[in-house]
Amino acid sequence: DTEVTQTPKHLVMGMTNKKSLKCEQHMGHRAMYWYKQKAKKPPELMFVYSYEKLSINESVPSRFSPECPNSSLLNLHLHALQPEDSALYLCASSQGRGGDEQYFGPGTRLTVT
Amino acid sequence: EDQVTQSPEALRLQEGESSSLNCSYTVSGLRGLFWYRQDPGKGPEFLFTLYSAGEEKEKERLKATLTKKESFLHITAPKPEDSATYLCAVQPPVHGSSNTGKLIFGQGTTLQVKP
Repeated sequence: DTEVTQTPKHLVMGMTNKKSLKCEQHMGHRAMYWYKQKAKKPPELMFVYSYEKLSINESVPSRFSPECPNSSLLNLHLHALQPEDSALYLCASSQGRGGDEQYFGPGTRLTVT
Repeated sequence: EDQVTQSPEALRLQEGESSSLNCSYTVSGLRGLFWYRQDPGKGPEFLFTLYSAGEEKEKERLKATLTKKESFLHITAPKPEDSATYLCAVQPPVHGSSNTGKLIFGQGTTLQVKP
């Protein structure tokens, strides 16, 4: 099973709201990722967790706050977003050994109004 | 600078008309080259991993090959259901923990197969 699940599928939020995106995998992977994807562009890396520790932050604004409660779960907390943050947010996981493929979830379509 | 370039940007084929997608890369050292398929509004679906020049992988109508400078995704006798965006990505070497699992994506090739 190579499934990564994400909830919710769609999210509409105002600029003053606080919301969270959730991601789960049960493949025993030790690396998890958040990507942002705009229309007709490739995924853009935001954060990497390796063995439940934040290992990469691609200079993402603080209005995005990642959290990795355990090796199977990954959250992305959203606060005071801007309309330009509207995008498809993708979660991925990999074994975490380097050179291994990443498996992506279906994504959360976020619209900021 | 590590870079991935895919060509063409868009490709239209008739059903059954075989073709190839190109992925050229410049990276200081290759830990892996990955091909993904992405349907509109969905997450990328993993297809292949290639690690060294001369390596080939096949899956149904798709075949991926790798040289020291580029990779090709060959599509044999495509069907309309093969229509999607195909993404190529490379993973550069790790320096400490800063590049752990980081992928550098190309811009993708959008394939349309007409019946």
